[in-house]
Amino acid sequence: DAKTTQPTSMDCAEGRAANLPCNHSTISGNEYVYWYRQIHSQGPQYIIHGLKNNETNEMASLIITEDRKSSTLILPHATLRDTAVYYCIVRPGAGGTSYGKLTFGQGTILTVHP
Amino acid sequence: DSGVTQTPKHLITATGQRVTLRCSPRSGDLSVYWYQQSLDQGLQFLIQYYNGEERAKGNILERFSAQQFPDLHSELNLSSLELGDSALYFCASSVASLLQETQYFGPGTRLLVL
Repeated sequence: DAKTTQPTSMDCAEGRAANLPCNHSTISGNEYVYWYRQIHSQGPQYIIHGLKNNETNEMASLIITEDRKSSTLILPHATLRDTAVYYCIVRPGAGGTSYGKLTFGQGTILTVHP
Repeated sequence: DSGVTQTPKHLITATGQRVTLRCSPRSGDLSVYWYQQSLDQGLQFLIQYYNGEERAKGNILERFSAQQFPDLHSELNLSSLELGDSALYFCASSVASLLQETQYFGPGTRLLVL
């Protein structure tokens, strides 16, 4: 599985956009980028995923660079409840031998300040 | 609420004992995954079941076993417990089709071995 690199921690002011970067320079063609977050020992919560194109849902936007070696998760208007550990995960597509499992790194601790 | 339920929420037991953790997947999901989160190891994949059969195995100890029943709920059995088994145990489920494999996590079971 491709490894990911994320900053250990980030701060964001409430109401501002939070931009969380992730490097995955060894990603291969059929691997997806997934983002999850974990709020204080709760179960990880799915946020968004993508393969090549930028994606947007009700929670966030995912921007993937053209070479797919990095991505950015954008929370457009961060709130205090967005304070969490954010995990960027590269996951094989269907048919891969490690298809199925999610490999979590250390993630980014995002703290949203009033 | 992800739709995945786990029981019990908390479990306190002694070394050498055996416990069973239970997981009910989201309605319609065929795959169940188990993860362990300890302070020193982070979130680690243990095992995956798909429609009653083991599909993938991670760093699961021989003292641990799991199964998925015909109604698709799953149980994780931990035996000969050691202090180091104290951790959060999460279950996740997914539809397990080729097009959609997003995993949704339950709230977890916090195990404390004394």
